[in-house]
Amino acid sequence: NAGVMQNPRHLVRRRGQEARLRCSPMKGHSHVYWYRQLPEEGLKFMVYLQKENIIDESGMPKERFSAEFPKEGPSILRIQQVVRGDSAAYFCASSPLRNSPLHFGNGTRLTVT
Amino acid sequence: QKEVEQDPGPLSVPEGAIVSLNCTYSNSAFQYFMWYRQYSRKGPELLMYTYSSGNKEDGRFTAQVDKSSKYISLFIRDSQPSDSATYLCAMNENTGNQFYFGTGTSLTVIP
Repeated sequence: NAGVMQNPRHLVRRRGQEARLRCSPMKGHSHVYWYRQLPEEGLKFMVYLQKENIIDESGMPKERFSAEFPKEGPSILRIQQVVRGDSAAYFCASSPLRNSPLHFGNGTRLTVT
Repeated sequence: QKEVEQDPGPLSVPEGAIVSLNCTYSNSAFQYFMWYRQYSRKGPELLMYTYSSGNKEDGRFTAQVDKSSKYISLFIRDSQPSDSATYLCAMNENTGNQFYFGTGTSLTVIP
């Protein structure tokens, strides 16, 4: 059973460009979470989705950031007009049930130049 | 005050030592407690998952939860160089939407 798959592993964008990060959850998992990790700051919650629905996006900046988890296909975290401060590792995690432990992918490392 | 506090270390121990990693938290509504191991450039990997106070053992790992003190611990017995990683504690509420993570403790086991 494949784990959580994230791509790309590394993404370089210039300021003002768009970044699209993709996440395929583990088979049978319908709950998807996105977290951002910065050195010395740990994992910060961004958004929680359950198939086609955004359940909680309280950790996501109101502007430029959006997330979706369509009925078919991977979950997408989209960052428009990236700025240097968006440089970080973005992790996706999935679980089969609410409150079940999260299973993480290996992340996408975004660098904004 | 952060929801979850964790000493960042770094912690350096000789091979075979017993390691103790700890987290404290402020939210008494937290019900589920987890420990993750994260190697450099990788995603966090689930090690232990516990619900309510008490101990849970899995091989060389023991997770301990003390809800009255809002304190959780992970013990690693007979530590190995392959245990060298960052260890993250995590927790959430029964009705919560997000998992709260500590900042992680960096551990090095010296052969």
